[in-house]
Amino acid sequence: GAVVSQHPSRVICKSGTSVKIECRSLDFQATTMFWYRQFPKQSLMLMATSNEGSKATYEQGVEKDKFLINHASLTLSTLTVTSAHPEDSSFYICSASYDRNSDTQYFGPGTRLTVL
Amino acid sequence: GIQVEQSPPDLILQEGANSTLRCNFSDSVNNLQWFHQNPWGQLINLFYIPSGTKQNGRLSATTVATERYSLLYISSSQTTDSGVYFCAVGPTDKLIFGTGTRLQVFP
Repeated sequence: GAVVSQHPSRVICKSGTSVKIECRSLDFQATTMFWYRQFPKQSLMLMATSNEGSKATYEQGVEKDKFLINHASLTLSTLTVTSAHPEDSSFYICSASYDRNSDTQYFGPGTRLTVL
Repeated sequence: GIQVEQSPPDLILQEGANSTLRCNFSDSVNNLQWFHQNPWGQLINLFYIPSGTKQNGRLSATTVATERYSLLYISSSQTTDSGVYFCAVGPTDKLIFGTGTRLQVFP
């Protein structure tokens, strides 16, 4: 149980294009989903927290107009990197938790974004 | 914000050896988890342990919340244990990840 998927697993795009990453909870309903980014050989940094049906809460220093997050249902959250640039190249990971009272997060396999 | 430091940063072991990984955090937390990130990037939950001791097979963890540290013990290490071990803490469900310990286990 508690499986989270991400699609695509890797994407290469040209500078200036937008990329959408999907995060799905396959066997449970996720009231809260989290988005992280991880640069090579570094730790995970929380970008934003999304709750179903409401606007995402972004961490300090994360541009909400550049990283658009939509949590339209209890099983799907999307992250869109708009007008991507080479410095946006990173490993993006989502996680989901069962409910607001559960502190355990289950992580997706990650999406590796390369912007040329 | 909360600072999370892990030690050692790198660890090289021969198969069968035991090891202890440490996580120090700078403030009180209600949430502490240990994860293993495999070489393909997948994070795997090991323990949810804001306090106390837990064991799961060859792995065990202890958190002393009053002294703001947690320990992860790996016994009889195997090559499949290789990867990066993270502890992550938070006052709530939002997690702040530590710096990680990169473990390499050789046959």
